[in-house]
Amino acid sequence: AQSVAQPEDQVNVAEGNPLTVKCTYSVSGNPYLFWYVQYPNRGLQFLLKYITGDNLVKGSYGFEAEFNKSQTSFHLKKPSALVSDSALYFCAVRATDSWGKLQFGAGTQVVVTP
Amino acid sequence: GAVVSQHPSWVICKSGTSVKIECRSLDFQATTMFWYRQFPKQSLMLMATSNEGSKATYEQGVEKDKFLINHASLTLSTLTVTSAHPEDSSFYICSAREGGTTSLYEQYFGPGTRLTVT
Repeated sequence: AQSVAQPEDQVNVAEGNPLTVKCTYSVSGNPYLFWYVQYPNRGLQFLLKYITGDNLVKGSYGFEAEFNKSQTSFHLKKPSALVSDSALYFCAVRATDSWGKLQFGAGTQVVVTP
Repeated sequence: GAVVSQHPSWVICKSGTSVKIECRSLDFQATTMFWYRQFPKQSLMLMATSNEGSKATYEQGVEKDKFLINHASLTLSTLTVTSAHPEDSSFYICSAREGGTTSLYEQYFGPGTRLTVT
């Protein structure tokens, strides 16, 4: 079985400060890892993914994430947060033999204050 | 980038009636489509996976006779909520992907449909 944990319900950060959203996962075999962002009453927007290769993945809107196999983590980071980054962030994992199904974390609400 | 649309974006229906939600991939062929349900301030719950031309695979606990899924073409999947009840009120999101179950292609999500059953 695969699972994703996002330990923080909410992350508060001042604009211009670094933003980190935590994610740990559990999966049999090699994981495919994803980050999505959701704005109110909207669907999910893809930010980035890790499939293989370089552990540091760069994505949309200045976000990046680092795959850490030993810690089974895939934390999302942005060096300088913007107020417009305030949204709900989801980490998701897919095992290679999972018939393509994504398992989503519970989500982390990011609030960036001016 | 790939675009997935959903129609309607919101719908209000009376208890006991049925409502159909459409999910379309606008600029790619979606071999696989997924339907999710999301309650307020909660994560997405996968309801079913459908491959074009075959029956949908439902997740455990999801009533296949209540949530009818049809993936009749490579660009269209529909979710019909039959005999809707207030507890079916939710945000329904579809996603679509090129390739089959082992595909590494990206999943693209629709904007969601807000269903309210009165």
